[in-house]
Amino acid sequence: RKEVEQDPGPFNVPEGATVAFNCTYSNSASQSFFWYRQDCRKEPKLLMSVYSSGNEDGRFTAQLNRASQYISLLIRDSKLSDSATYLCVVKPYNTNAGKSTFGDGTTLTVKP
Amino acid sequence: EAGVTQFPSHSVIEKGQTVTLRCDPISGHDNLYWYRRVMGKEIKFLLHFVKESKQDESGMPNNRFLAERTGGTYSTLKVQPAELEDSGVYFCASSPRDRGAEAFFGQGTRLTVV
Repeated sequence: RKEVEQDPGPFNVPEGATVAFNCTYSNSASQSFFWYRQDCRKEPKLLMSVYSSGNEDGRFTAQLNRASQYISLLIRDSKLSDSATYLCVVKPYNTNAGKSTFGDGTTLTVKP
Repeated sequence: EAGVTQFPSHSVIEKGQTVTLRCDPISGHDNLYWYRRVMGKEIKFLLHFVKESKQDESGMPNNRFLAERTGGTYSTLKVQPAELEDSGVYFCASSPRDRGAEAFFGQGTRLTVV
């Protein structure tokens, strides 16, 4: 079993749709959680950190459920520019900053 | 402020040759990471420097890979001799000292071994 597992996708949605991505992690000691976005042939870029209480940034909402070891990302009112691969990233507790463990990514295509 | 820069952006080499990848982290970032994505797989951790010291090199595939960060600034990753399975995109990332700080990635070096 992979340490970080994401919805396999791909997701193809019309503009304006709401879409949700799910991610589970296996290491219960994980302490830091992130969603990154990666455009085709580009580097991963931080979309948002995920906090225990859940957090929102405009159209994007991230949730964390430590008991279920589950992270989600909700995108409301999808735009064409949201088309990308979304990476769930988890970092451990016991290292200084520490390595990131990535999921395979979930590809989103928003269509007109 | 300049981001993480990597050189070269692309490299095509023959099996058995040597290649050296370079990463310049964001100025002041103590943490420097190397990652690799091979075709069809997830991005995988290779190693982590804190300043010039190797903090974690558990992801290095084998002894054909050598990473250095002399002086705690830029880093190099040498592959010698390169094999076909080393092909992929090598990403470098850096982050400040804060334990939970997110990492900023460079654009990657696309390595093709033929």
